[in-house]
Amino acid sequence: DAKTTQPPSMDCAEGRAANLPCNHSTISGNEYVYWYRQIHSQGPQYIIHGLKNNETNEMASLIITEDRKSSTLILPHATLRDTAVYYCIAPSYGGATNKLIFGTGTLLAVQP
Amino acid sequence: DTEVTQTPKHLVMGMTNKKSLKCEQHMGHRAMYWYKQKAKKPPELMFVYSYEKLSINESVPSRFSPECPNSSLLNLHLHALQPEDSALYLCASSQDLEGWDTDTQYFGPGTRLTVL
Repeated sequence: DAKTTQPPSMDCAEGRAANLPCNHSTISGNEYVYWYRQIHSQGPQYIIHGLKNNETNEMASLIITEDRKSSTLILPHATLRDTAVYYCIAPSYGGATNKLIFGTGTLLAVQP
Repeated sequence: DTEVTQTPKHLVMGMTNKKSLKCEQHMGHRAMYWYKQKAKKPPELMFVYSYEKLSINESVPSRFSPECPNSSLLNLHLHALQPEDSALYLCASSQDLEGWDTDTQYFGPGTRLTVL
């Protein structure tokens, strides 16, 4: 896995966009960027992943820089239920299965 | 449907007990995983099963014994655990797309284990 660096915590006002940054300067050409989140005491929830192009789904958007050394997860209209730890992971695929190595993530606190 | 189920939700056991954690998925996934998560720490990989065979053991003590009876089920047998083994145990599954560059893992809600 490429090493990823995230800020330990962020605040966001309810209804505003939450922009969560991630640095992955050692990422290799075939390593995707994955985002998961974990709401307190629940299992991690898959959000989105991407390789080069920006991606959007019903939960979030993922913006990856052209050099692929960093990315930003965007929650367009944050709600209180989006308060969670957000993990940015760049797993390596060396065979049939992948290993997710979780860093410490970013604790996003959405404020009313 | 991306649901992985785990039972029980909570488990309290003594150091001499034998218990098992169960995980089930019906997404046709062929890879299944056990993770351990201590309080205020990120999840750490313990075991990976690929096509019902153990493919990764992250140097986990033998008091944890995984089993994959079929492609939908994953068990974790526990015996002679220590209080420091108290944690949230998470199960995950993925398609196990050999030769592809991406294989998304989906997690269950976890079993909260307390060892007395």
